[in-house]
This record gives sequence, C-alpha cells and structure tokens, in this order.
Amino acid sequence: AQKVTQAQTEISVVEKEDVTLDCVYETRDTTYYLFWYKQPPSGELVFLIRRNSFDEQNEISGRYSWNFQKSTSSFNFTITASQVVDSAVYFCALREYGGATNKLIFGTGTLLAVQP
Amino acid sequence: DGGITQSPKYLFRKEGQNVTLSCEQNLNHDAMYWYRQDPGQGLRLIYYSQIVNDFQKGDIAEGYSVSREKKESFPLTVTSAQKNPTAFYLCASSTTGVSEKLFFGSGTQLSVL
Repeated sequence: AQKVTQAQTEISVVEKEDVTLDCVYETRDTTYYLFWYKQPPSGELVFLIRRNSFDEQNEISGRYSWNFQKSTSSFNFTITASQVVDSAVYFCALREYGGATNKLIFGTGTLLAVQP
Repeated sequence: DGGITQSPKYLFRKEGQNVTLSCEQNLNHDAMYWYRQDPGQGLRLIYYSQIVNDFQKGDIAEGYSVSREKKESFPLTVTSAQKNPTAFYLCASSTTGVSEKLFFGSGTQLSVL
C-alpha cells in the first residue's frame, strides 16, 4: 500500500535558522513521483517541487533544497536561513505510476512556525 | 490571471440540508479534483474528473456528489448523508498526465450549524 509519513507535526524555529522537514514514503511501484506543497494561512496549496523515482539528484532552489534518497524512502525538504514568510503547513505527496486512479497520496503535513 | 476560484469561502449547513460548493477554473485544464482536509490530517480525495461528463469516486466519496457539465466547472454537493461534513474543502485542477502538478483553489470552510 502507498503511504506518506510526515512525523513532525509542528516545528518552531527562529528566523535565520535552517530547518529540515522530513518525508518518508512507502510504495511498491518502481516508478513514482514525489511532490512538496506549501499551504500558507490563505489556504491555497502551492506547488514547490516534483521529483520522479529515477532522478535522485538533490535539488536546490534559492533557500530551498530537497534530498531524495531511495535507499531510505525519504524525500526531505530543507529551508536555509528561514524567514517569517516561510511559516505555513508543508505537505509531502506521492503519486504512483500504476493504478487506475489519478491521485496524490498526501502526508499529514508539518506546520512550520518561523518566529521573528 | 489564470487560476481556480472557489466559493463561498465560508459555508454553514443545517441538519438535513444539501449544500453545493463551487469550483471554477480558467486554466483550460481537463482534470479537476475535490479534496477534503481535516485538522491534523492530510488531504483526502473525494472525487475527480479527467474529462467533461465523466468523474470517478476517490477514497471518501460517500455522502458527496459532483457533476462535470463544463470543462471549467466542477461543483461539489455535500448531501445530508454526509454525517460529518465539517472540514476544509479544496478544489484542484491539472492537465492530464501521470506527473502533472495540481493547481489549488483557496478552499471553502464548511461548518455545521
């Protein structure tokens, strides 16, 4: 069965600290896709990154970076030098290639609070 | 600007009443989705549609109904059969494809009076 686990329910940091949000997934497929979304207080989820199972290269986008490790089934997200605007709920999600349905399996989310 | 519009932002339902949540998109996307979000839980798929006049049940479709008469619109009706409707409802759309990212609306908070 496919599953996404975000064990950190809430994280609180002070501005300029680095913070890592953990994501562990389970799937039997060899082809799959992983996503991170950000949900600010406005409620709308915003796409951050998509990664397929064949691409294990880490990715950096400004202050954001992602570490994908198939050996540990993890897709962790690091924010460097956090800012108050980073405060949001962050969701990790999994999409399997196979199957009749076209849906994402979401983790329960991590609430990040960045204090000034 | 292109995007997804959900209305209303807040909705209250009385016992035994059906209510309809609106979702409109102008992104020219074929696929549309409804997700339910409860506090401390991830998003769960209610219904999705990949083409006009066709839709499929998601993981928690009981007590909900949808229609897809137009490409731009995918309204969700929360029926009286849904015994625990209080939640945040998110509509999304995407192009069709396995790895396509979802674009989300700003959500509707439904509460029971």
